[in-house]
Amino acid sequence: DIQLTQSPSSLSAFVGDTVAITCRASQDINTWLAWYQQKPGKAPKLLIYAASTLESGVPSRFSGSGFGTDFTLTISSLQPEDFATYYCQHLATSPQFGPGTTVDVK
Amino acid sequence: EVQLVESGGGLVEPGGSLRLSCAASEFTFTTYTMNWVRQVPGKGLEWISSISSSSANIYYADSVRGRFTISRDNLKDSLFLQMNSLRPEDTAMYYCARPKIPHNQNYGMDVWGQGTMVTVSS
Repeated sequence: DIQLTQSPSSLSAFVGDTVAITCRASQDINTWLAWYQQKPGKAPKLLIYAASTLESGVPSRFSGSGFGTDFTLTISSLQPEDFATYYCQHLATSPQFGPGTTVDVK
Repeated sequence: EVQLVESGGGLVEPGGSLRLSCAASEFTFTTYTMNWVRQVPGKGLEWISSISSSSANIYYADSVRGRFTISRDNLKDSLFLQMNSLRPEDTAMYYCARPKIPHNQNYGMDVWGQGTMVTVSS
């Protein structure tokens, strides 16, 4: 099975900062990767699919990149509503998630 | 509004059983693979099972294989998860989730239910 790791596991940032979260796959997964945002008590929300395609309605300050085994979610000009936990997911027969990265207020 | 609504969670003793349901509305349920994803309180997301539109293809995570059974009723736009031999480590919020594209799991899951909580404890 393909394993996903995320780094960092948590980070602290100010409103207005640009932050980057990395997701690494144990094998080449092409661009079969999605990113989700989850806030406490809420279901996950799809942000990006196919590694870099922004889901409809998601602000353009979110962007995704990567191919193969290394992927990045970048949030430019962090807004108060962006403080949350972010998960990557390998899109496959068994679509497992990475362990998550929590972004909190510095 | 496209919606998924889970039900059936609750408190059950170790070794017990529970059946979760997920009611779909406002989309063509029969064309979508469907998933169950769970989350232990304070922990990450874990995909546990998926079922293709016709029920021909079913997959499970190792953690639940042999104990949980996914099924669907396309006439009633409903997804189910039969959970047997429950363990304390199965305590979690259980979500049903729909992929973005019909018949295709490769573009992420864009519709989620609100979740139903399962607690396994004596």
